[in-house]
Amino acid sequence: AQSVTQLGSHVSVSEGALVLLRCNYSSSVPPYLFWYVQYPNQGLQLLLKYTTGATLVKGINGFEAEFKKSETSFHLTKPSAHMSDAAEYFCAVSGDAGNMLTFGGGTRLMVKP
Amino acid sequence: DAGVIQSPRHEVTEMGQEVTLRCKPISGHNSLFWYRQTMMRGLELLIYFNNNVPIDDSGMPEDRFSAKMPNASFSTLKIQPSEPRDSAVYFCATLPSGGGTEAFFGQGTRLTVV
Repeated sequence: AQSVTQLGSHVSVSEGALVLLRCNYSSSVPPYLFWYVQYPNQGLQLLLKYTTGATLVKGINGFEAEFKKSETSFHLTKPSAHMSDAAEYFCAVSGDAGNMLTFGGGTRLMVKP
Repeated sequence: DAGVIQSPRHEVTEMGQEVTLRCKPISGHNSLFWYRQTMMRGLELLIYFNNNVPIDDSGMPEDRFSAKMPNASFSTLKIQPSEPRDSAVYFCATLPSGGGTEAFFGQGTRLTVV
């Protein structure tokens, strides 16, 4: 069965610092991988996704993630954090169970001025 | 398209009452998911429909919960009777057929059972 583990339920960075949110997955088939962001009182919106092809994928708001099959990872990064990046971030995988998405527990990103 | 539309946005009800949450998927999307989000348990998948048929309802917590999708443009999640521990934000998400497509989420319904 597919699963996702997000290391660190809370991450705090200073404005301008590197953002690194960790995601490891488990899947018995080549996975499709997603990062979603949730702002307060909002639904989830897609940041970026990996399906096939280039392993480094770029998303909205300057975020990117790299699919590393050997490490079963899909970590999310942004070179320089902005106050507006404060939100909860969810990693998700699909593939094992058709279109069914399995989400990680989420990481709340806090950005300090 | 207006996206996935959920109603109501907020619901406050008394314990024991019936609650019905509604979802209108994006036109043409044939997969629909109901999720529940709480601080304690995070985002939990309750049930997954494909072409209006329930495929996986293993996440439905108990018999008090039921979900239907009578047609491609409407789904409901019903709780009867409701309990305070059902208080959560309930999300509906839909996606089109084909692998690798992302799910589109509604704004959620914040349910408070007092």
